[in-house]
Amino acid sequence: QSALTQPASVSGSPGQSITISCTGSSSDIGAHNYVSWYQQHPGKAPKLMIFDVSNRPSGVSNRFSGSKSGNTASLTISGLQAEDEADYYCSSYTSSTPYVFGTGTKVTVL
Amino acid sequence: QVQLQESGPGLVKPSQTLSLTCTVSGGSISSGAHYWNWIRQHPGKGLVWIGYIYYSGSTYYNPSLQSRVTMSVDTSKNQFSLQLSSVTAADTAVYYCARDRSIAAAVGMDVWGQGTTVTVSS
Repeated sequence: QSALTQPASVSGSPGQSITISCTGSSSDIGAHNYVSWYQQHPGKAPKLMIFDVSNRPSGVSNRFSGSKSGNTASLTISGLQAEDEADYYCSSYTSSTPYVFGTGTKVTVL
Repeated sequence: QVQLQESGPGLVKPSQTLSLTCTVSGGSISSGAHYWNWIRQHPGKGLVWIGYIYYSGSTYYNPSLQSRVTMSVDTSKNQFSLQLSSVTAADTAVYYCARDRSIAAAVGMDVWGQGTTVTVSS
C-alpha cells in the first residue's frame, strides 16, 4: 500500500485560509469515510485534528475543517495563526491495511 | 487522562531484535475499547504505521513489516510491546505508541506517547 500523496509545502499569511490536499485511490480514500488528519510540531508527537473525514476531537479549534471528494481528502485551516506552523499528515483506512499515512505537508505561516 | 510512555534501548546492533514497551496510565488496556498501535518515523520523513494489538492479543501488522514484527500485550502491567527482528540501519527511527479512538475501523489515533528514538548501529 503506497503512501497517500500530499503537497510537500503550503504557506499562507496570518488570517488567511489554506487547504492541504491528500490524494489516494478507490481502495482507500475513495472507498471509506475513515480519513484522519494529524498535526506535528518539530520534535513532538502527532496530534489528531480531524477524524472520520470531517469531525473534530474535543479541544481542537473550529478553524480546522476536513472534507472529501472522490479519492481526495482536504484539510482547511482558516484564520491562519503562527501556532499552526507545523507538519500535517493525512491517513486513511484501506482495503488492505487499517492505516496508511500521507507523505506529509509542511505548513509555513509567512 | 490517558497517557502513553514508550521505553526501551536507544541503541540496537544490526541483525538483533528491537524491543520496545508502551506503558498505559490513566486507563486500562483491558477495557477492550481501543486498539493499541505502533508507528515509526524515520529521521526527517513521514509516519509509517507498524501495526496494532487488541487487549485479547489479536494483532494486525503492516504487510511490509509483517515478517519481522511481533506485538504482545501484558494486561496485568497495562503494557503492550513491539519486537522487530533482524534490524538494519533502515530501522533507525522514532517509534511512537498510540491509541485508536475505538475499535471501529481506522478511526484515528487520539492519544500518543512522546516517542522514543532507536538507532541501529554497531
